[in-house]
Amino acid sequence: DTGVSQDPRHKITKRGQNVTFRCDPISEHNRLYWYRQTLGQGPEFLTYFQNEAQLEKSRLLSDRFSAERPKGSFSTLEIQRTEQGDSAMYLCASSFSAGATGTEAFFGQGTRLTVV
Amino acid sequence: AQSVSQHNHHVILSEAASLELGCNYSYGGTVNLFWYVQYPGQHLQLLLKYFSGDPLVKGIKGFEAEFIKSKFSFNLRKPSVQWSDTAEYFCAVNEFFGNEKLTFGTGTRLTIIP
Repeated sequence: DTGVSQDPRHKITKRGQNVTFRCDPISEHNRLYWYRQTLGQGPEFLTYFQNEAQLEKSRLLSDRFSAERPKGSFSTLEIQRTEQGDSAMYLCASSFSAGATGTEAFFGQGTRLTVV
Repeated sequence: AQSVSQHNHHVILSEAASLELGCNYSYGGTVNLFWYVQYPGQHLQLLLKYFSGDPLVKGIKGFEAEFIKSKFSFNLRKPSVQWSDTAEYFCAVNEFFGNEKLTFGTGTRLTIIP
């Protein structure tokens, strides 16, 4: 499968623990996005990378959240000191843009985080 | 800031019925418009998109959507639904001249009864 892959698919953690998720985008894609989706809601934008540079962060991304994309390939999203409110599906998407608008974002299957 | 409204939260139809799902957005500038579908247990997939040109766009699996700029709407239609169309449907927008982050609606769950 050459789509966007995310690992793990499910994560259950105790409140206060740190968790890290990984996203492997489609290999030639230069843009990578993280979204969060809670029950009954659409995905909400968290952060965006163009190659290795993190260019935008949502106000939803508190200082407990950090994302990286070393070398412009895979990305990690870390949540420190997890809280029950962090329970959600975390989605990764990637796209290729050479300046054109309206390119399609391809989504992974997500990592479902449950904080107990 | 952009926002997207999907007024139908759950729609139940019989097979062969016609479908129209509403989507309205709020944004002062030029936007790109998308419909994504999420089948049970699968990832979000693009159904169709509008950037410019003909406001009636056709997507995969017989779906189409019409952009009506004056109404800030981008409704999704299908003349005859199938049981396999059971899924969650999300309308999304992004800025025409932006980094292409998507703003999604809350989604419409579509259930097709055989």
